Amino acid sequence: DVKVTQSSRYLVKRTGEKVFLECVQDMDHENMFWYRQDPGLGLRLIYFSYDVKMKEKGDIPEGYSVSREKKERFSLILESASTNQTSMYLCASSFPLQGSPETQYFGPGTRLLVL
Amino acid sequence: RKEVEQDPGPFNVPEGATVAFNCTYSNSASQSFFWYRQDCRKEPKLLMSVYSSGNEDGRFTAQLNRASQYISLLIRDSKLSDSATYLCVVNRNNNDMRFGAGTRLTVKP
Repeated sequence: DVKVTQSSRYLVKRTGEKVFLECVQDMDHENMFWYRQDPGLGLRLIYFSYDVKMKEKGDIPEGYSVSREKKERFSLILESASTNQTSMYLCASSFPLQGSPETQYFGPGTRLLVL
Repeated sequence: RKEVEQDPGPFNVPEGATVAFNCTYSNSASQSFFWYRQDCRKEPKLLMSVYSSGNEDGRFTAQLNRASQYISLLIRDSKLSDSATYLCVVNRNNNDMRFGAGTRLTVKP
């Protein structure tokens, strides 16, 4: 069974703080993703990574950065948290299969509140 | 306009009912399609992939109409445990997945 874990389920931070969200997967997946989920908007892709030290911007990268130093770990960084970054953050991973639609496996999510 | 549109619901149906969800997508180059299920306060999980020929998995049937850019999910004989939010997901190309906002289903006894 694929396991994707996230460092915290709930987090409360103050405006201006630097915030680190960690994600770890145990299935040697090459691809990892960070999304945020907001009511009425669905999941929106922030950043993704195809490989160690590689990163690509998603739809809404502003105010975020990422780090992938090891294959199993993908970190999301909020450089200076703002109230509009209050959201549910979901990490996912997938393994590219030739000729097959990919399945993304999600972590349990981190609910972040920025005060 | 959102790239993937779903009726947000909520759909409230009695046990045993048949319910259908629809989804439209705007990018005609989209390559693969999925339905995910998300329980309250939990992460999304893959329910089923959607193939051009249509596919069935027990009580669930998924259909794709590429010409109309339309995807559907049919649930027959609804169970209480089917209560969840159903997310329509479209893969534009490698890993560029677009999610609908979800359709909420409540199955009542």
